[in-house]
Amino acid sequence: QVQLVQSGAEVKKPGSSVKVSCKASGGTFSSYAISWVRQAPGQGLEWMGGIIPIFGTANYAQKFQGRVTITADESTSTAYMELSSLRSEDTAVYYCARGGYYYDSSGTLTYNWFDPWGQGTLVTVSS
Amino acid sequence: DIQMTQSPSSLSASVGDRVTITCRASQSISSYLNWYQQKPGKAPKLLIYAASSLQSGVPSRFSGSGSGTDFTLTISSLQPEDFATYYCQQSYSTPGTFGPGTKVDIK
Repeated sequence: QVQLVQSGAEVKKPGSSVKVSCKASGGTFSSYAISWVRQAPGQGLEWMGGIIPIFGTANYAQKFQGRVTITADESTSTAYMELSSLRSEDTAVYYCARGGYYYDSSGTLTYNWFDPWGQGTLVTVSS
Repeated sequence: DIQMTQSPSSLSASVGDRVTITCRASQSISSYLNWYQQKPGKAPKLLIYAASSLQSGVPSRFSGSGSGTDFTLTISSLQPEDFATYYCQQSYSTPGTFGPGTKVDIK
């Protein structure tokens, strides 16, 4: 049974960057997708982007394009999410989640459901 | 992006009640609809995938139905551990958008 363990809470200044890690153990890593989903305090869930480690190319939600970088290290079964130019609105719990993927009828890569999830990493952006 | 809505936004129910939550997509998503349960301070947990398939280990009192734009999650007999927030999520297109959630609390 795969388990995802994330790095610890972070406190960052506005304008800085944060890098959160997500290490998989007990199961297959490279052939699944790893997505990053965030949840602001008291709010809903928002997909930021994902990566399929064996392909190495990440996909991002348009909202985060240019500010987020998702990478994966197959040798350590670890995925990373780096968010730059942090502002107070980025204060949230950041989750990684493993899932499947498929190609739709137009050949576009699409991420499927998310299971399991990491425990979450609280990132607080404050001056 | 595909917009997801849920109703109701919250509900109060008693143990043993039958509970139904509705999710609607802004366009047809076939059966690419997933349901998650989230308890306070915890990560979401997958309950139902592909609209009606029960994730391994999830109690059979949970069921999902629907296709196209309208979907439902039903809890046949609410248990104390089911008080939580429930989210739907479409996986028809990227980004996989979530509904705003339905909070189920104790009556």
